[in-house]
Amino acid sequence: DTEVTQTPKHLVMGMTNKKSLKCEQHMGHRAMYWYKQKAKKPPELMFVYSYEKLSINESVPSRFSPECPNSSLLNLHLHALQPEDSALYLCASSPGLAGGLQETQYFGPGTRLLVL
Amino acid sequence: GQNIDQPTEMTATEGAIVQINCTYQTSGFNGLFWYQQHAGEAPTFLSYNVLDGLEEKGRFSSFLSRSKGYSYLLLKELQMKDSASYLCAVMDSNYQLIWGAGTKLIIKP
Repeated sequence: DTEVTQTPKHLVMGMTNKKSLKCEQHMGHRAMYWYKQKAKKPPELMFVYSYEKLSINESVPSRFSPECPNSSLLNLHLHALQPEDSALYLCASSPGLAGGLQETQYFGPGTRLLVL
Repeated sequence: GQNIDQPTEMTATEGAIVQINCTYQTSGFNGLFWYQQHAGEAPTFLSYNVLDGLEEKGRFSSFLSRSKGYSYLLLKELQMKDSASYLCAVMDSNYQLIWGAGTKLIIKP
């Protein structure tokens, strides 16, 4: 099983809503990532969890709040978002063994978010 | 600063060969990745190079020259389904991926 799953696939929310994005992997990977991707741009790293602990926060606004309940799950809680936050949100995982190919990241299909 | 350059767009003909170049300047080097991304979909892993030379995987090959800070992705026997963006990414000394902007490849019949 080399699959990373994400739900929902699409999400439309208002600026006052609270919603959550979910990501799951069953590959035994110990590193999980949230990326944001705008059209025709590369993915931008938001957060990295390593062994269920937040290891990197790329100066992301507090309206994005990550959570890692266990080694297979990663959530991204959204609150009071702005229209410019509309994007494709990608989750990825990697073995987390800190060595070259062992850090290959495998991506989920993404959640396309529209903030109105 | 860290920088990865690749052409914005390329066009090729079905059945032909195309080479997508990537040059990089990063703080440290722990390997170079190529990903394919179809419009509206997630990136999928294609190849990884950490030593100089050519890695071949079916119709796709990837080359690396660390001394030149240069890589290319070679696609042979192009098919219409190869129309996608191809992203070059370098893993730096902190094991973080530094991404290029991607090359949009258009395949014409």
